[in-house]
Amino acid sequence: SQQGEEDPQALSIQEGENATMNCSYKTSINNLQWYRQNSGRGLVHLILIRSNEREKHSGRLRVTLDTSKKSSSLLITASRAADTASYFCVPAGGTSYGKLTFGQGTILTVHP
Amino acid sequence: NAGVTQTPKFQVLKTGQSMTLQCAQDMNHNSMYWYRQDPGMGLRLIYYSASEGTTDKGEVPNGYNVSRLNKREFSLRLESAAPSQTSVYFCASTEWGVVIYGYTFGSGTRLTVV
Repeated sequence: SQQGEEDPQALSIQEGENATMNCSYKTSINNLQWYRQNSGRGLVHLILIRSNEREKHSGRLRVTLDTSKKSSSLLITASRAADTASYFCVPAGGTSYGKLTFGQGTILTVHP
Repeated sequence: NAGVTQTPKFQVLKTGQSMTLQCAQDMNHNSMYWYRQDPGMGLRLIYYSASEGTTDKGEVPNGYNVSRLNKREFSLRLESAAPSQTSVYFCASTEWGVVIYGYTFGSGTRLTVV
């Protein structure tokens, strides 16, 4: 399984602003998943976008996928202090016994 | 609430002691995984169980053993703890077939070995 490379490594914004995080990967995928981890807590699965989808929404989250560029982005609109967390993108290609590889993530800080 | 339950949440061990981290899921998932998370290292896969009755090594298996007790439970054992095993341990479960579905994670076990 491959890992995604999140960019930027850290992002600091004010409450109410939008936050955009980017992800790149190297080989073909079946789907790409985004996770959130609040400090000291377990990871939470946010959204899964399949390789034949270009955009997906869930509440204030918007995920795009460009398989030709092997990249994805996560947009959080109208951010809140509670969105402060690390965000991980995880490309999933080939089943590999369901194993996923997690990168370093993007640390998002939302200031009240 | 449905999900993955890990126990204990915190543990301090002395070097050389042993302990077992417990993980149970109630989502009827076939596959379960143990990861460790260290600062600056991301999550690294220790062991996994693709289905009941099978286990296999991940990226960093040395110093650990696992048992898939039944479909619900997957335990991780440290036989002789070392300071290098100080970490946060996460258990996760999922289903997969042609597609790997999203993982459900437990809340973690924070282990300190002194």
